[in-house]
Amino acid sequence: DAKTTQPNSMESNEEEPVHLPCNHSTISGTDYIHWYRQLPSQGPEYVIHGLTSNVNNRMASLAIAEDRKSSTLILHRATLRDAAVYYCIGPLSAGNMLTFGGGTRLMVKP
Amino acid sequence: DTEVTQTPKHLVMGMTNKKSLKCEQHMGHRAMYWYKQKAKKPPELMFVYSYEKLSINESVPSRFSPECPNSSLLNLHLHALQPEDSALYLCASSLTEGVTYNEQFFGPGTRLTVL
Repeated sequence: DAKTTQPNSMESNEEEPVHLPCNHSTISGTDYIHWYRQLPSQGPEYVIHGLTSNVNNRMASLAIAEDRKSSTLILHRATLRDAAVYYCIGPLSAGNMLTFGGGTRLMVKP
Repeated sequence: DTEVTQTPKHLVMGMTNKKSLKCEQHMGHRAMYWYKQKAKKPPELMFVYSYEKLSINESVPSRFSPECPNSSLLNLHLHALQPEDSALYLCASSLTEGVTYNEQFFGPGTRLTVL
């Protein structure tokens, strides 16, 4: 079972920043937090992952709370192409496998 | 090449048919995965292969039979499926098993309809 809580859906305007929250209160000190997204009619794709400190890559930033019980995925300038279901994952299931929860459906308005 | 390919894109089969789904990657990954995704639901892990050996079977019914003929190829053989098995079947791969230090690369999926 998924061990994260995310809002079912969020809406954003194009070219504005988006903050996608995730609660993962059962996470341990060694569990990474992973984010994947699934664009319409595609398989999921990796977005970012992190352990303690904030992480940045070309797609997004990940801000992790000091107590590690929550995190926020930040898209700095949303585009129409960012409309997708965003999955926050952590901790992993047995064997360090991805366990997808419901995710957040992000809608981007032009 | 960071692509996982899956064929066919769509498949319609009857409950008495035998069919196979195919997945291929040329990234040198040694772990490959099958997931099942029902409409409006998240993907669910079915099988994991690590170095061409079955590592995890998530209690999947025997009418689904995975096969990993070599490190680049993963098949899912289907036999005597039920209409409730209709779903999107996703293949994924990663450098090694698990995702603690690896990202998984997913294919676009095969949309299966069982009549």
